[in-house]
Amino acid sequence: NAGVMQNPRHLVRRRGQEARLRCSPMKGHSHVYWYRQLPEEGLKFMVYLQKENIIDESGMPKERFSAEFPKEGPSILRIQQVVRGDSAAYFCASSPPTSGQETQYFGPGTRLLVL
Amino acid sequence: SQKIEQNSEALNIQEGKTATLTCNYTNYSPAYLQWYRQDPGRGPVFLLLIRENEKEKRKERLKVTFDTTLKQSLFHITASQPADSATYLCALDEGNTGFQKLVFGTGTRLLVSP
Repeated sequence: NAGVMQNPRHLVRRRGQEARLRCSPMKGHSHVYWYRQLPEEGLKFMVYLQKENIIDESGMPKERFSAEFPKEGPSILRIQQVVRGDSAAYFCASSPPTSGQETQYFGPGTRLLVL
Repeated sequence: SQKIEQNSEALNIQEGKTATLTCNYTNYSPAYLQWYRQDPGRGPVFLLLIRENEKEKRKERLKVTFDTTLKQSLFHITASQPADSATYLCALDEGNTGFQKLVFGTGTRLLVSP
């Protein structure tokens, strides 16, 4: 059973460009979470999605950031018009749909560098 | 304000000794608390979960305690090995959200020297 996959692992963008980060959850998992980790800071929750639904996006900046988890295909975290402050590691985690399963399984992350 | 705190200074210990890491929180009432390991350039890996009604949990060389009165969890690695060197993160459920909304500490880096 493959783990959570994220791509690309590293992404370099110039200010003003768009960044698209992809996350494929573990097989059988329908819950996806995105986190951001800034240098010397802890992981910060951004958004929680289930298939075709955004459940909670309270940790995501209101502008320029969006997330989706379509019926088919990976979850996408999209950052429009990137700025230097968006440089960070972005992690996706997944969990199964069964209630009571509190463990989240993390991917290797995408390291975004904005020049 | 709500906070979850871990010692930001690295913990250096000798191989074979017991490492003890601390996680303190304020203004949360978590139903459970988790510990993760994170290696450089990698994602966090789940280690242990302890619920509010459990005082202690063990898994091989790992032991976690959870004191809801002190609002503190301790994470122990016995007979530590150089391979245990990593950053250890504690995380708790923010609560009252209807889903598992984890709040993470900044982590404590553990260095085990041979």
